[in-house]
Amino acid sequence: DSGVTQTPKHLITATGQRVTLRCSPRSGDLSVYWYQQSLDQGLQFLIQYYNGEERAKGNILERFSAQQFPDLHSELNLSSLELGDSALYFCASSVDSSGALSYNEQFFGPGTRLTVL
Amino acid sequence: AQSVAQPEDQVNVAEGNPLTVKCTYSVSGNPYLFWYVQYPNRGLQFLLKYITGDNLVKGSYGFEAEFNKSQTSFHLKKPSALVSDSALYFCAVRAHFSGNTGKLIFGQGTTLEVKP
Repeated sequence: DSGVTQTPKHLITATGQRVTLRCSPRSGDLSVYWYQQSLDQGLQFLIQYYNGEERAKGNILERFSAQQFPDLHSELNLSSLELGDSALYFCASSVDSSGALSYNEQFFGPGTRLTVL
Repeated sequence: AQSVAQPEDQVNVAEGNPLTVKCTYSVSGNPYLFWYVQYPNRGLQFLLKYITGDNLVKGSYGFEAEFNKSQTSFHLKKPSALVSDSALYFCAVRAHFSGNTGKLIFGQGTTLEVKP
């Protein structure tokens, strides 16, 4: 058990809908990363938050957004869902520090499997 | 652009034999390299990392990896494979000049199958 929790484990929804994925990082970790894993694209970085602020953005669609709350949990919001958004979404956390180069390992949650019908 | 390549989709090895899972990388500057393992229906588990120093890095579950700067490789190895090592393995890189983000670039993954 990595200490990172994600809910829900599975999500089945229809095209055009909006969903919210939730992540709680390991105790003490200030950074949260979101990744998408799909068969055609592999594992891709979406976005990182550090202590409530966005720190880095990757291949995240405009229909997707995220935030990190004061208690450090994070939510990934996916809207106007398309069939191609079906994937496994992982959250990871690490004990990064402000301003410093980060080479800490990331600890991954079990993922949320999203199926868009 | 940063990239990681895992040239083999699948590696098959007999239990008790040594195993190698290959990884090559392309980054600007010094790389920070990681190996993760993913078991079915589970998240990724950290195995080991190379930041600096000794080119041979030891990690969890008896795994080790050798960093080779001239060949830009970071191959994962284990002297004696177990059936329980069967899983999907990912190599990842974080470039030195990525600022203060630890975002990782992953390879496409290699399925390791260890047969009894």
